[in-house]
Amino acid sequence: NAGVMQNPRHLVRRRGQEARLRCSPMKGHSHVYWYRQLPEEGLKFMVYLQKENIIDESGMPKERFSAEFPKEGPSILRIQQVVRGDSAAYFCASSPNSGTNPAGELFFGEGSRLTVL
Amino acid sequence: DAKTTQPNSMESNEEEPVHLPCNHSTISGTDYIHWYRQLPSQGPEYVIHGLTSNVNNRMASLAIAEDRKSSTLILHRATLRDAAVYYCILRDHSGAGSYQLTFGKGTKLSVIP
Repeated sequence: NAGVMQNPRHLVRRRGQEARLRCSPMKGHSHVYWYRQLPEEGLKFMVYLQKENIIDESGMPKERFSAEFPKEGPSILRIQQVVRGDSAAYFCASSPNSGTNPAGELFFGEGSRLTVL
Repeated sequence: DAKTTQPNSMESNEEEPVHLPCNHSTISGTDYIHWYRQLPSQGPEYVIHGLTSNVNNRMASLAIAEDRKSSTLILHRATLRDAAVYYCILRDHSGAGSYQLTFGKGTKLSVIP
C-alpha cells in the first residue's frame, strides 16, 4: 500500500511566481491535512479538507494561499506570488476517517520543500 | 490546546533503552497523549498514543503517570535509525483539537554507535 505521496519533493521559485504542491492521500483515505514547517520550527496546521470541501482553513495565511481537494485527483496547495518567507517544508497528511477521532493517527508524506529565491 | 514540555535534546548509546519524558500538567480529562517522530528530511511518523493506561506496540512503550500530568516514551533498544526529533502531542476529541496537531520543538534524540 503506497503511503501519502507528495510532489514535487523540491521546488525552487523566484519571488512573484506561483507554487503548486500536490498530495495524493493513502488509498482509502478521504481526509487531507496540510502542515507547514518553517526552518528550525515545529509543524503548524494550515488546512483540513475532505473531497470537494474545505473543512477548516484557520491556519492558512489570509492572502495568496489556497487549497483544494477535487473529486478526482490529488489535493493541491497553491501559493501565489511567492515571497522569501514562504520558503519552508510543506507536509500533507491523510486519515481514513474524521479527524475528530482522537485516537486516529495521521499519516504524513515526505514533504515538499519550497525555496524562494 | 494543552501545552507539553520536553527536553530539547537527549543522547543514548546504541542498543540501550531510552526514556523520553514529557510534561503536560494542564492536560484535560479528554486529552489523548500522542507521540510522533520525525527523521531527518522526512515527514512525521506516528509512534504511539494512550489515554490513561500504559501502552505497548512494536515501536515503543508509553508510560503514563497516574495523575496524567506526565508521560514517558520508552524505546527499549535504541538503534541508529531511531535518531529523530520526538514530539509529545495532546489531542482532545472536541472539534479542531483532534486534527490540528500542535507540534512543539520536540526532543532531538541522538544515538551514539
